[in-house]
Amino acid sequence: AQSVTQLDSQVPVFEEAPVELRCNYSSSVSVYLFWYVQYPNQGLQLLLKYLSGSTLVKGINGFEAEFNKSQTSFHLRKPSVHISDTAEYFCAVSEHTGGFKTIFGAGTRLFVKA
Amino acid sequence: DGGITQSPKYLFRKEGQNVTLSCEQNLNHDAMYWYRQDPGQGLRLIYYSQIVNDFQKGDIAEGYSVSREKKESFPLTVTSAQKNPTAFYLCASSIGQFSYEQYFGPGTRLTVT
Repeated sequence: AQSVTQLDSQVPVFEEAPVELRCNYSSSVSVYLFWYVQYPNQGLQLLLKYLSGSTLVKGINGFEAEFNKSQTSFHLRKPSVHISDTAEYFCAVSEHTGGFKTIFGAGTRLFVKA
Repeated sequence: DGGITQSPKYLFRKEGQNVTLSCEQNLNHDAMYWYRQDPGQGLRLIYYSQIVNDFQKGDIAEGYSVSREKKESFPLTVTSAQKNPTAFYLCASSIGQFSYEQYFGPGTRLTVT
């Protein structure tokens, strides 16, 4: 069965510093991978997705993620964060077996300090 | 603008009362979902629907019910049988099979006292 682990529950970082939010998954079949962002008291918004092809995926707001099949990871990175990036970030996995279930990680709260 | 609307934003109910949360989408998506979000637990799937008049239980369906009479609408009823109903509820939709990215509504925060 698929599962998703976000290795850090909270990540504090100073403004303009780089950040990496880590995500590992477990699955016996091929997967689609997603990162979503949630601002306080709002719904989730898609940041980026990996479906196939290039393992380096670029998303909105300057974020990118790299799919590493051998390490079953899909870490999210940004070279320079802004105060406005303070939010909760969710990694999600959907298996290639059809159906409709997407499994979400527990979330990582990114806190950008001035 | 296409999107998903959820109403109301905040909802307060007394224990023992059923309450229905609204979810409407104008994206022409076939699939719709209901998730429950609690602090530190991510999103847990309550119910999902692939087509009109069909829906399936998710991981935590007990104490909840849904209907899908129209493509655009997927209301969720939180019944009095739900032991701990206070939570943030998110509705989402996707184009269809294989669960490509999901589009989320703004959520409804339900407080039951």
